[in-house]
Amino acid sequence: AQSVAQPEDQVNVAEGNPLTVKCTYSVSGNPYLFWYVQYPNRGLQFLLKYITGDNLVKGSYGFEAEFNKSQTSFHLKKPSALVSDSALYFCAVRETGNTPLVFGKGTRLSVIA
Amino acid sequence: DAGVIQSPRHEVTEMGQEVTLRCKPISGHDYLFWYRQTMMRGLELLIYFNNNVPIDDSGMPEDRFSAKMPNASFSTLKIQPSEPRDSAVYFCASSSLGQGEAFFGQGTRLTVV
Repeated sequence: AQSVAQPEDQVNVAEGNPLTVKCTYSVSGNPYLFWYVQYPNRGLQFLLKYITGDNLVKGSYGFEAEFNKSQTSFHLKKPSALVSDSALYFCAVRETGNTPLVFGKGTRLSVIA
Repeated sequence: DAGVIQSPRHEVTEMGQEVTLRCKPISGHDYLFWYRQTMMRGLELLIYFNNNVPIDDSGMPEDRFSAKMPNASFSTLKIQPSEPRDSAVYFCASSSLGQGEAFFGQGTRLTVV
């Protein structure tokens, strides 16, 4: 069965510093990997995805993620954090294009001015 | 496109009452998912449909929960009778086969007192 682990419940970073939110996954085949962001009292917003191709994926709001097959990881990164990036971030995986997304528990990112 | 539309945004009901949550997916999407979000359990998949047909309802917690999709543009999630432990945010999401990512509605915050 597919699964996702986000090892950190909370990540704190100073504004202007680089940020990383970690994600590891487990699937039986080739993964479809996603990052979503959730602001308070809002739905989940899609940030970026990896399906195939270049291991470094660029997404919305300056975020990027690196797919590492050997480490089964898909960490979310941003070179310079903004206070407005503070939110709840979810990593998700699906085994094929027609199965549901399975989400991690989420990581709360706090960017401090 | 207006995105996935859910109603109501908030629902407060008394224990034992019937609750119906509604969802309008993005036009042209052939997959529809219902998720529930709680602090304790994170995001859980309840049920999903493909071309209006329920594919997997193993996530539905009890017989008190039921979901329908009478046509491609409308789905309901019903809880009868409701209980306080059903209090959560319920999300509807839709996707198309070739796309990968799912798009989420704003959610319905259900409070059962």
